[in-house]
Amino acid sequence: NAGVTQTPKFQVLKTGQSMTLQCAQDMNHEYMSWYRQDPGMGLRLIHYSVGAGITDQGEVPNGYNVSRSTTEDFPLRLLSAAPSQTSVYFCASRGTSGYTDTQYFGPGTRLTVL
Amino acid sequence: DQQVKQNSPSLSVQEGRISILNCDYTNSMFDYFLWYKKYPAEGPTFLISISSIKDKNEDGRFTVFLNKSAKHLSLHIVPSQPGDSAVYFCAASEASGANNLFFGTGTRLTVIP
Repeated sequence: NAGVTQTPKFQVLKTGQSMTLQCAQDMNHEYMSWYRQDPGMGLRLIHYSVGAGITDQGEVPNGYNVSRSTTEDFPLRLLSAAPSQTSVYFCASRGTSGYTDTQYFGPGTRLTVL
Repeated sequence: DQQVKQNSPSLSVQEGRISILNCDYTNSMFDYFLWYKKYPAEGPTFLISISSIKDKNEDGRFTVFLNKSAKHLSLHIVPSQPGDSAVYFCAASEASGANNLFFGTGTRLTVIP
């Protein structure tokens, strides 16, 4: 199993550009999510999905779009990048069986918006 | 407003000694708590969890203690090893399967050989 994979690892954008961060998992997990990590802020939830076709907002959703057409993939779209979106982005997935579920994180995408 | 707080940004400990990492939370609805470990250029990895029906959970060298009345939890690592050097995040949710997981800001642990 590859687990959770993210591409690209690094990206530099200019203000106003758009891009999609890719996330895929091969564990057949229903739940997937996107977090951003900023200095002094910990990880904050952007959007999440509980299954194909179902998405919802997290703590900091503004400026980001998501969709979930398959169980495996959960891309994050920045429609018009802003310097405030400079951050490290982590995708995560988890199963739903049992009480002690845990999230598996991808290696992250470091995004810089100039 | 940060609902999960880790007030110590860093901690240094000698190899073989105990490492104690602390975490406080403000939301009384939090019912499930986790610790994650993160190495540079990698995503966080799950370490240990505890539900509010317990006050202690052990897994090898790692023990998490929960004090619900004080809204405080701690992670003990005994004995500490150089490979434990990483950033440790505390996280909390309102239930084991809740969709929102709230993270603290992290504590960087350095274990000195």
